[in-house]
Amino acid sequence: EVQVEESGGDLVQPGGSLRLSCVASGFIFDRYSMIWVRQAPGKGLEWVSYIDNRSRNIYHADSVRGRFTISRDNAKNSLDLQMNSLRAEDTAVYYCARVRNYDSAGYYSLYFDFWGPGTLVTVSS
Amino acid sequence: QSVLTQPPSVSAAPGQKVTIPCSGSSSNIGNYYVSWYQQFPGTAPKLLIYDNDKRPSGIPDRFSGSKSGTSATLGITGLQTGDEADYYCATWDASLSVGVFGGGTRVTVL
Repeated sequence: EVQVEESGGDLVQPGGSLRLSCVASGFIFDRYSMIWVRQAPGKGLEWVSYIDNRSRNIYHADSVRGRFTISRDNAKNSLDLQMNSLRAEDTAVYYCARVRNYDSAGYYSLYFDFWGPGTLVTVSS
Repeated sequence: QSVLTQPPSVSAAPGQKVTIPCSGSSSNIGNYYVSWYQQFPGTAPKLLIYDNDKRPSGIPDRFSGSKSGTSATLGITGLQTGDEADYYCATWDASLSVGVFGGGTRVTVL
C-alpha cells in the first residue's frame, strides 16, 4: 500500500525556521518525483516545491523561492522541506504528494496520485 | 488570484448533474494535461481525474473530465450528498515554470 506521511509542523515565530519531513512507503521511492503543496486556513491549494527522482530538477513557487529548500534522501525514502525566514502568510497545512509526470501524445502530464494527511505550520508571535 | 479560474461554488439537487469549469491559457491548459482533485473539509486532497479525462482505479464513472482549448471541465452526474466537497483543477504552467491549481469550487447538494 502506497503511503506518505508528513511530520515536523509546529508553531514558530516570524523570521524563524522549520524543517518538515515526509516518509514514503509502499513504492520504489527513487523512481518518483515528489512535491510539497500547502493550504492556508480557509484557502485553496498552493503548489510549493517540486523535486525530481534524482534531485536534478527542482522548482519552487515565487512565494517561497530563496527561503524554502526541498531535498530528498532516496536511501531513507524521505523528502524534506527546509523553511527559513518564515512569515505569517506561510501559515498553512503542508502536504507532501507523489508525482506522476511524463510526456504523452505530445503533451506533458503532471499529477499527484498519493497525498499525506498533512502537517500544520503556524507562524505567529 | 489563481492562474486557473474556477467558480467559487456550484450546486444542484440530488441525482442531477453539475459541471465545474476551469479556465486557463495557452501557457498552461492549452498545452498541458489537466488533473482534478476532490477535498473534504479537514482531509487531504484526492486524485479524481488525470490526463484530462482518465479516472484512477476506484473513482466512479459518475465523475468525468474533458478539455477543449484553454479550458477544462469536471462533470459529476447522479449527484449525491457524499459529493459535497471542494474540487480543484491543476496543471503545469510554462510561463511560470511551476504547477498551478485553480482556486477551487465548492459543490453543494441542495
